[in-house]
Amino acid sequence: SAVISQKPSRDICQRGTSLTIQCQVDSQVTMMFWYRQQPGQSLTLIATANQGSEATYESGFVIDKFPISRPNLTFSTLTVSNMSPEDSSIYLCSVLDGPNQPQHFGDGTRLSIL
Amino acid sequence: SQKIEQNSEALNIQEGKTATLTCNYTNYSPAYLQWYRQDPGRGPVFLLLIRENEKEKRKERLKVTFDTTLKQSLFHITASQPADSATYLCALPMDSNYQLIWGAGTKLIIKP
Repeated sequence: SAVISQKPSRDICQRGTSLTIQCQVDSQVTMMFWYRQQPGQSLTLIATANQGSEATYESGFVIDKFPISRPNLTFSTLTVSNMSPEDSSIYLCSVLDGPNQPQHFGDGTRLSIL
Repeated sequence: SQKIEQNSEALNIQEGKTATLTCNYTNYSPAYLQWYRQDPGRGPVFLLLIRENEKEKRKERLKVTFDTTLKQSLFHITASQPADSATYLCALPMDSNYQLIWGAGTKLIIKP
C-alpha cells in the first residue's frame, strides 16, 4: 500500500497566521483527501484534492479558509488560513486508488492555535 | 443524511477474551463497510472491508459481520491481546463511492 508522509507533524501557531501542510505519497494515486479530526471525534472530510483543477469542498468548508493545491498525482498541500483557536485540530491526508478501495492515511498534523 | 453510531464509551476486555464492537448506521444500506484501527498520534489503518452481499469476513483473529436488515456491522477480535488496544473506526461510502463518512470510533482496552 501507498506510504504517505505529512509535514509538519505538529505545530503551534499564532492567531491570524496561516500554515501550509504537505502530503507526499510514494506512488501515483487517483484521489487525495483532507480531513479534520477533533480529539475523540470522527473524521470530517474537508475536501477532495483534484489534480490539475480546483478542490471539491464539503459543506462548511470554503476555499478561502482552506486553499488546497494538487500539482501532480503524488503531492498535495492544505493551507489553514487566518487561524483561530477553533482551528486547533488534527489534519489528516489520505489517498485512494479507486472506488470501493480502502483509504491510506498519513500520521496527521497536530495543530494548536494560541 | 447517513449517520454512523459507535459506542462512545471505552470497552474494557480481559486478555484472551473476544472483543465485540458495534457500528450502526441510520439511512441507506451502503455497498460496503470498512473497519480501521487508529493508535494515538497516528492516522487510521485499514483492517477489513465487507460488501453488502457478504455476511461475514475474516482475517486472522478478526471477524466482521454485516447485517443490512439491522443496519449494523459487528467487529470481533478473538483471543484479544494488549497490543489490540486502540480506537476502532467504521466507515461507509458516501453516494460517490469514493468518499467515506466515519463513526467516532470505540476505544478498546485489553487488560493483561
